[in-house]
Amino acid sequence: KNEVEQSPQNLTAQEGEFITINCSYSVGISALHWLQQHPGGGIVSLFMLSSGKKKHGRLIATINIQEKHSSLHITASHPRDSAVYICAVSTGANSKLTFGKGITLSVRP
Amino acid sequence: DGGITQSPKYLFRKEGQNVTLSCEQNLNHDAMYWYRQDPGQGLRLIYYSQIVNDFQKGDIAEGYSVSREKKESFPLTVTSAQKNPTAFYLCASQPYRSDREYNSPLHFGNGTRLTVT
Repeated sequence: KNEVEQSPQNLTAQEGEFITINCSYSVGISALHWLQQHPGGGIVSLFMLSSGKKKHGRLIATINIQEKHSSLHITASHPRDSAVYICAVSTGANSKLTFGKGITLSVRP
Repeated sequence: DGGITQSPKYLFRKEGQNVTLSCEQNLNHDAMYWYRQDPGQGLRLIYYSQIVNDFQKGDIAEGYSVSREKKESFPLTVTSAQKNPTAFYLCASQPYRSDREYNSPLHFGNGTRLTVT
């Protein structure tokens, strides 16, 4: 069983919808990362969090340490949000990350 | 603008040949990483380096080699010993604060797609 599980596996939404992507992990972590990968392949770091909630523009990330669960929310979704969203966790001081398989999001106009 | 540059974007090689993928960063980051991405799988760590002239094997180091002669450069060689080299390769870097606080966002390059036939 992968240490990092993401759901749903694929997601299609209409422009303007509120979107939630989930990430569950099975080990103790020091931080959780949300990453965005566009069709060209490059990856951008969206959030790194170890507790609570962070917001950047239309994106909100939350984490519940006790439940070992994090969510990434996208408000007022737009076709340019179409990408693969990857959750990754770091479990120690050496900061090696364990990655989920990613969720492919498609936002239709 | 600071960032990570991977080259080339696409690379084609014949089976049995070694090939070197370039990764350069001008972010003054101490740590650099090489990941491999295959369809339907999460990124897997090949090698990482936290300081010049030092590097450690990741989870799938067999068939790969690296060097870290300069802070800004971390080239990856895919050798003929790597049984399934066709993949998307991503380089990343990260600043280093302390042994206890290594957690900071990673910066990724745009990747190199290697095809070996």
